[in-house]
Formats: sequence, structure tokens, C-alpha cells
Amino acid sequence: GIQVEQSPPDLILQEGANSTLRCNFSDSVNNLQWFHQNPWGQLINLFYIPSGTKQNGRLSATTVATERYSLLYISSSQTTDSGVYFCAVERADKSTFGDGTTLTVKP
Amino acid sequence: ETGVTQSPTHLIKTRGQQVTLRCSSQSGHNTVSWYQQALGQGPQFIFQYYREEENGRGNFPPRFSGLQFPNYSSELNVNALELDDSALYLCASSWGTAMNTEAFFGQGTRLTVV
Repeated sequence: GIQVEQSPPDLILQEGANSTLRCNFSDSVNNLQWFHQNPWGQLINLFYIPSGTKQNGRLSATTVATERYSLLYISSSQTTDSGVYFCAVERADKSTFGDGTTLTVKP
Repeated sequence: ETGVTQSPTHLIKTRGQQVTLRCSSQSGHNTVSWYQQALGQGPQFIFQYYREEENGRGNFPPRFSGLQFPNYSSELNVNALELDDSALYLCASSWGTAMNTEAFFGQGTRLTVV
């Protein structure tokens, strides 16, 4: 099956810093989403981005489908950005998540 | 608030028992997908139901089964529970197959098997 690798696995930032999270996938995909999982386990939609670039406030994402990667940018990080960030891809009616990036933003 | 609700939120079962988890999809959505998330890992795709039929399945044994009802709500049934089945179970609803369109998740059911 398709492999999804996220990097880095862990990231510690000072409040106000910027960061880039990466998601590599091993085969062509139909779709890609980025999620933020809060401490209670809820997966919050960030971006639905099979290709191209999107921005939502301090967050933006870029997917280059031909090169099989996606990037999530977080600017001016806040403590509330802490949590686990997942990318998930869909191919042949099956979805695959990466193992996530755990982000800790310190005040 | 995604509009996807799961019940119960927490559950404790004994090895060998059977369990049923429930998911109400967001209004207007016709697809429900189920995932198992073990501690410290990403969610693993169990299966997906589209218009009441299973149309995608991950690497889970047959003792994991499901149903989707005419109102597009869904159940996940697990028979002969094993200790390794302890996990957070998540459902997601969408319009169309799996993540062909944007998927929205419920808050999950945390299952503990003892």
C-alpha cells in the first residue's frame, strides 16, 4: 500500500516562531488533507488540498502532487497551535494517514 | 463542531466480548469511514461505507464489520475483542467516497479491552 511519511516527528518552538511540516507519499493520490488533533482526540480539518496552495490565516499549505509531497506552514506560532498534525491521503478508495508531527509551542 | 457525533465516548470491555460503536454523519453526507488509532500512532483505515455498502477496506480481520443505515448513520462492530483492540475509534463523514471530498471527523470512542 501507499506509504506516508511526515517530518519532523517532533517539533518544539518558541511562541512567535514559524515552522514547516512536511508530508511525503510514495504513490500518486486522489486527495490529501491536513488535520490537527486536539488533546481530546478530535481531528480538526485544516486543509483539503490535493494540489496547489491554500491559506487560512496564519496557516498555509502547498501540495506538489507530481513530486509527491505536501507542506504545511505555520507562521507566528501560538501555544494553542500545540498538538499533533496529520496528513492523510486517499488512493483507490482507501485512506492512509502519516504518523504525525507533534508540535509543542512554548510561551 | 463538525456535526459528526459518536457514541459512546468511552467504553470498557472484556477480552472475548463484542462491541458496537455508533456514528451519526453530518447532514448531507452519504459516506462514513472508520479508523482505529492506537496511542502515539496515526489513524488506521478500517473500512468505508458509501450508500449502505462497503466500498473500501483496510487491513483488518473480518471480526471488524460494519453497517450503514438509510439515514447514512453507521455502526462498527468488533467481535471476539482482543487486548490490542484497545484504541481510539474515529469515524468520518463525507460526500462521495472516503476522502474524494473533504472528510469531517467525530470526537471518537475510546475503547479499552481488559
